[in-house]
Amino acid sequence: TQLLEQSPQFLSIQEGENLTVYCNSSSVFSSLQWYRQEPGEGPVLLVTVVTGGEVKKLKRLTFQFGDARKDSSLHITAAQPGDTGLYLCAGRTGTASKLTFGTGTRLQVTL
Amino acid sequence: NAGVTQTPKFRILKIGQSMTLQCTQDMNHNYMYWYRQDPGMGLKLIYYSVGAGITDKGEVPNGYNVSRSTTEDFPLRLELAAPSQTSVYFCASSYPHSYNEQFFGPGTRLTVL
Repeated sequence: TQLLEQSPQFLSIQEGENLTVYCNSSSVFSSLQWYRQEPGEGPVLLVTVVTGGEVKKLKRLTFQFGDARKDSSLHITAAQPGDTGLYLCAGRTGTASKLTFGTGTRLQVTL
Repeated sequence: NAGVTQTPKFRILKIGQSMTLQCTQDMNHNYMYWYRQDPGMGLKLIYYSVGAGITDKGEVPNGYNVSRSTTEDFPLRLELAAPSQTSVYFCASSYPHSYNEQFFGPGTRLTVL
């Protein structure tokens, strides 16, 4: 069974602070995605990383795929209240038709 | 396009009752999925389908059944509801020729008392 462990599990910070969320596994993934889920809604895809070492930026969010494609990180610069939500990573093995979802990181950004 | 739609949004069941959660997508996606999300937790895969007439079990299939008669619809059936099935249920779909990037519905919040 593939496991994707996310850390930290919970994070409460003030507006303007920086933070990093980690997604780790002992398995190799062909691609990895990050989703954000706001309260009462379904997850929404933020980004997909495919190549080992790849870095993608989405405004104040920076995503990195580990060189060995076993881990990933999400860095948020100058967090805003609108960043509040549950962040989920999800890995795909080979050309599998399903994803393995991480345990989730719940972020709260206060004024 | 409406994307992925789910009905109902909320439902309360008594122990032993049955119900069907509906899921429809209008993106012509071949792949569809059912997940459950317990409070404060990530997603657990219940069942998935790679096309009409094809379904397969995920991590937590016990107590559930699915069918896939059309590309658009993927209903989830709960037989003999139990308190352990209290959860939020999400349906998702994806296009097979991408990286399996999934589009989620808004969820159904189910309580079994």
